[in-house]
Amino acid sequence: EAGVTQSPTHLIKTRGQQATLRCSPISGHTSVYWYQQALGLGLQFLLWYDEGEERNRGNFPPRFSGRQFPNYSSELNVNALELEDSALYLCASSLATARVLRYGYTFGSGTRLTVV
Amino acid sequence: TQLLKQSPQFLSIQEGENLTVYCNSSSVFSSLQWYRQEPGEGPVLLVTVVTGGEVKKLKRLTFQFGDARKDSSLHITAAQPGDTGLYLCAGQNTGNQFYFGTGTSLTVIP
Repeated sequence: EAGVTQSPTHLIKTRGQQATLRCSPISGHTSVYWYQQALGLGLQFLLWYDEGEERNRGNFPPRFSGRQFPNYSSELNVNALELEDSALYLCASSLATARVLRYGYTFGSGTRLTVV
Repeated sequence: TQLLKQSPQFLSIQEGENLTVYCNSSSVFSSLQWYRQEPGEGPVLLVTVVTGGEVKKLKRLTFQFGDARKDSSLHITAAQPGDTGLYLCAGQNTGNQFYFGTGTSLTVIP
């Protein structure tokens, strides 16, 4: 079974440009989560999508947005890139609520975004 | 807002030593998970604790959930180089969502 796949693995953008990151969840997982990880430290919650709807949003400016498609894959868009947006962006997927406790999130390997 | 604070932030020990990592919050969580992340990879789930005071063992790793469900600890006995990685705790606040801690970077020197 394929795991969570993220593309691209690396992305270099210039300040002010837009970046689009993609995530394909594990088959059967309906929830997708996006996290930002800077400097190999803790994860900052960005967005949670479930069944095509945005369920919750972290404390990030509106230029961070996304969507979930009917096949449950997801996109994260970052507009007007700033230098401090440079980070590893991790996508995770999960089963329905009751099973998250047992199985947790399954993470992809991330997209390393560098803004120059 | 960072709800979960881990300590220490960095830890470097010799193979065979014991260590404890702490995860603290002022918030009550309905459950708490521990993950390990290796370089170039996403975090991988180690354990979930649900009941206040619960203790779970996974080989040389012992996880404890505080009685008040606000804190947790991870104890590793006789650390090995394969234990090297970033350890993250994650607390479940509402629904399906977990908030991650600040992380503890562990290096075990052979």
